[in-house]
Amino acid sequence: SAVISQKPSRDICQRGTSLTIQCQVDSQVTMMFWYRQQPGQSLTLIATANQGSEATYESGFVIDKFPISRPNLTFSTLTVSNMSPEDSSIYLCSVSSGTSVYEQYFGPGTRLTVT
Amino acid sequence: RKEVEQDPGPFNVPEGATVAFNCTYSNSASQSFFWYRQDCRKEPKLLMSVYSSGNEDGRFTAQLNRASQYISLLIRDSKLSDSATYLCVVTPARFILTGGGNKLTFGTGTQLKVEL
Repeated sequence: SAVISQKPSRDICQRGTSLTIQCQVDSQVTMMFWYRQQPGQSLTLIATANQGSEATYESGFVIDKFPISRPNLTFSTLTVSNMSPEDSSIYLCSVSSGTSVYEQYFGPGTRLTVT
Repeated sequence: RKEVEQDPGPFNVPEGATVAFNCTYSNSASQSFFWYRQDCRKEPKLLMSVYSSGNEDGRFTAQLNRASQYISLLIRDSKLSDSATYLCVVTPARFILTGGGNKLTFGTGTQLKVEL
């Protein structure tokens, strides 16, 4: 499976600021996704990061709040904009390749605390 | 009603025990099913896929009951290293490589603690 890294691994940010999270994969992958895991809850898909085009967002998530870039097949960024304490969460990127989009492999996550 | 429901546990079992988890899903159109494992403060990792009537991988057996819309995971001869949270995952489509739409829906997970 692909090796996935995320930066930063954790951060503490002030309300109203923005944070950009990077996801780097050691090989080219077809699909990349961004998830959020809030304390005590399961994973929720934020969006699918599409290479060369705008990301596809899930219900409840908008581009202005979570802009995503994917300039190539190995890299993506997620920005959490104008943060509030409710954005405190773990943000994970995941990738899939080959014919099965459902066998996803996750990065180690970015633990974000907003004060 | 949640799309995917799991008993949160924790299930505390002695080493060597057999333990079973159930998961129910609400979308009857769901086609593909998975179990992921998540260790404390770690990312989820795919444990096994569940297709048609289920499958087995070593000590792990996953079964699917479409009529009752539930999935189960059976762990035999449990090890200390099996201690983790087990996430049930469903998706409405099967093997479609498209962007967006065919998302994975995760349950909140069942916590397993295997003790000496």
